[in-house]
Amino acid sequence: QQQVKQSPQSLIVQKGGISIINCAYENTAFDYFPWYQQFPGKGPALLIAIRPDVSEKKEGRFTISFNKSAKQFSLHIMDSQPGDSATYFCAASSQGGSEKLVFGKGMKLTVNP
Amino acid sequence: GAVVSQHPSRVICKSGTSVKIECRSLDFQATTMFWYRQFPKKSLMLMATSNEGSKATYEQGVEKDKFLINHASLTLSTLTVTSAHPEDSSFYICSARTNTAYNEQFFGPGTRLTVL
Repeated sequence: QQQVKQSPQSLIVQKGGISIINCAYENTAFDYFPWYQQFPGKGPALLIAIRPDVSEKKEGRFTISFNKSAKQFSLHIMDSQPGDSATYFCAASSQGGSEKLVFGKGMKLTVNP
Repeated sequence: GAVVSQHPSRVICKSGTSVKIECRSLDFQATTMFWYRQFPKKSLMLMATSNEGSKATYEQGVEKDKFLINHASLTLSTLTVTSAHPEDSSFYICSARTNTAYNEQFFGPGTRLTVL
C-alpha cells in the first residue's frame, strides 16, 4: 500500500511558467515532508522541507504548501527554468523526521526553453 | 555543508564476486544512515537502516546475508553485495541523517553496479 501518492507522473512547462507537483499522504503520524530533486545518474538533493506547524514555506523559487486537514502538500516552482528539468520526489516521515522516509513515485519535469 | 560521498561511483564486476560500497558523511556526524536501491525511472526503495555501532535493520524482502551493512563510525557506512549476480545490477544510493532536531537526510551521489 503506497502511503504517499504523487501526481502528476510527468509535467512539461514552458520557461518562466509555474510547475506544480502534488502529494497526498495517508498516515496521520507523518510530520516531516521534504522534497528532493534528482538529475539522471545522480543522487537526490534535498530541496526544501516543511513541518505541520506552518502551512507554507518558501525558499527562492520553490514553495511548499501544506494542508494538514486534507493530508496534502505541494511543491510550486516559480519562473521554471530549463535547469529545473529533473525528477522530483516528495517524501514523508514521522517522529519529526527521525523515522524512515516514505517516498512518492516521483515526477519528471521538463522545462522547455 | 551536509555533503555525503559514495565510493566507487561505478563498478563492474563478475558474477559471484563481492563488491563493497562506501558511504561517508563529510562534514557532519550521522548516527543513522540509509541504503537505497533505485531501478531506472523508479522511486527509491529503502533496503536497510544503518545505525552506528549496532546491527542494521533490513526492510522486508531484503536478504541481509547478501547485502551486508556495517556502520563502524559516525561518518562511514559500508554496503557489501556478496556473491553478486546480474539481477543485483542497480543504482545504489546511501543517505545520512543529521544528528540534529531537524533530522534532515542528505543523499550521496549513488553507485552504479553492473554485474556481468
